[in-house]
Amino acid sequence: GDSVTQMEGPVTLSEEAFLTINCTYTATGYPSLFWYVQYPGEGLQLLLKATKADDKGSNKGFEATYRKETTSFHLEKGSVQVSDSAVYFCALNNAGNMLTFGGGTRLMVKP
Amino acid sequence: DAGVIQSPRHEVTEMGQEVTLRCKPISGHNSLFWYRQTMMRGLELLIYFNNNVPIDDSGMPEDRFSAKMPNASFSTLKIQPSEPRDSAVYFCASSIKPGGAETQYFGPGTRLLVL
Repeated sequence: GDSVTQMEGPVTLSEEAFLTINCTYTATGYPSLFWYVQYPGEGLQLLLKATKADDKGSNKGFEATYRKETTSFHLEKGSVQVSDSAVYFCALNNAGNMLTFGGGTRLMVKP
Repeated sequence: DAGVIQSPRHEVTEMGQEVTLRCKPISGHNSLFWYRQTMMRGLELLIYFNNNVPIDDSGMPEDRFSAKMPNASFSTLKIQPSEPRDSAVYFCASSIKPGGAETQYFGPGTRLLVL
């Protein structure tokens, strides 16, 4: 079946550092890929998405490119802020209605 | 626009009691999902509905859990009897329609503690 693997956290960075959170997936066909973010005490919210190979999703300075050849969708940001501290979930949807989530990666940004 | 609304936000109960969690999806959304989040197991899909009809309940842990969607604007998740291992954050989410690229919108969650 479909699966999503994320790097384990926590990831601890200083403010203005470069961020990469790795995400790889296993799926048949051509899934849509998502990054969701969960701030403390809140539900998940969509950060960005990409629906086909080579698409780049971007939002709030975050980017991720759908790489079918490496089955990856790594999340990047050039300069993180303390307010980016949260848990980030990579997910896929493969021609159905259900999202398959990765385990989540906690990001902690120190001032 | 109001997002997904869940109630209660926090629930503390004793083992053996019945617990009912409630969800109001975003108006016009036809798909509704119930998730459970724990430190040990992460985020798990329990059940989802399309047009008020349960489509996949394979994630429901056991017969103590049941979910209903009597109309397009309301759903409940019931645990009877509750056990300490049911302690978790329960999220409801909705999306506008079935489909691979549709965004799911999550509610703020209900934090359940079973003593």
